[in-house]
Amino acid sequence: QVQLVESGGGLVKPGGSLRLSCAASGFTFSDYYMTWIRQAPGKGLEWISYSSSGGGAVYYANSVKGRFTISRDNARNSLFLQMSRLRAEDTAVYYCARVIGQPNVENYSDQWGQGTLVTVSS
Amino acid sequence: SYELTQPPSVSVSPGQTARITCSGDALPKKYAYWYQQKSGQAPVLVIYEDSKRPSGIPERLSGSSSETTATLTISGAQVEDEGDYHCYSTDSSGYPLFGGGTKLTVL
Repeated sequence: QVQLVESGGGLVKPGGSLRLSCAASGFTFSDYYMTWIRQAPGKGLEWISYSSSGGGAVYYANSVKGRFTISRDNARNSLFLQMSRLRAEDTAVYYCARVIGQPNVENYSDQWGQGTLVTVSS
Repeated sequence: SYELTQPPSVSVSPGQTARITCSGDALPKKYAYWYQQKSGQAPVLVIYEDSKRPSGIPERLSGSSSETTATLTISGAQVEDEGDYHCYSTDSSGYPLFGGGTKLTVL
């Protein structure tokens, strides 16, 4: 069965950096777009980034553009999110998810990991 | 900017029908999707492409869409249906968006 396991969350000071990982199994990882979605405490869901199946095309929400970088290693079935210049408002649970479809056309996330908590605080 | 609007909360008694709406100007041309999120857990897809149910999702959960409003209907709601429900769609340029979420209480 499809499994997505995030790791790398934790407490970081404002202005600091953190790298999240997502280990995928149970499907052909290299066939799918992947995405990161976050949820601030007590708030709704916010899409933040897509990676194409090969990693050559990436997309970002305006709220993280220029600070976050999505990447993937298809040989290791892994997705990453490098976060820098972190702010208090980046505090959230970060989920990786598999994408059905592609950006700019109909697409949605059908399988989600359990999430990893990132807390940005001094 | 484009938004998907959901009511913050819906409350029903067990066995009643719960309806959760999601309003957005692009919905006549874009599919709506629904995610269920129980306390402390990750979201789970329960409806895709307006009205389709993934395998394993109970038949009492159904979806529909008309004009600018998509609706998730839970017929004969049960206590285990409690949680937050998030609608999802894309705007006219394909930008992904979630509604603010609706807390369903069954008691």
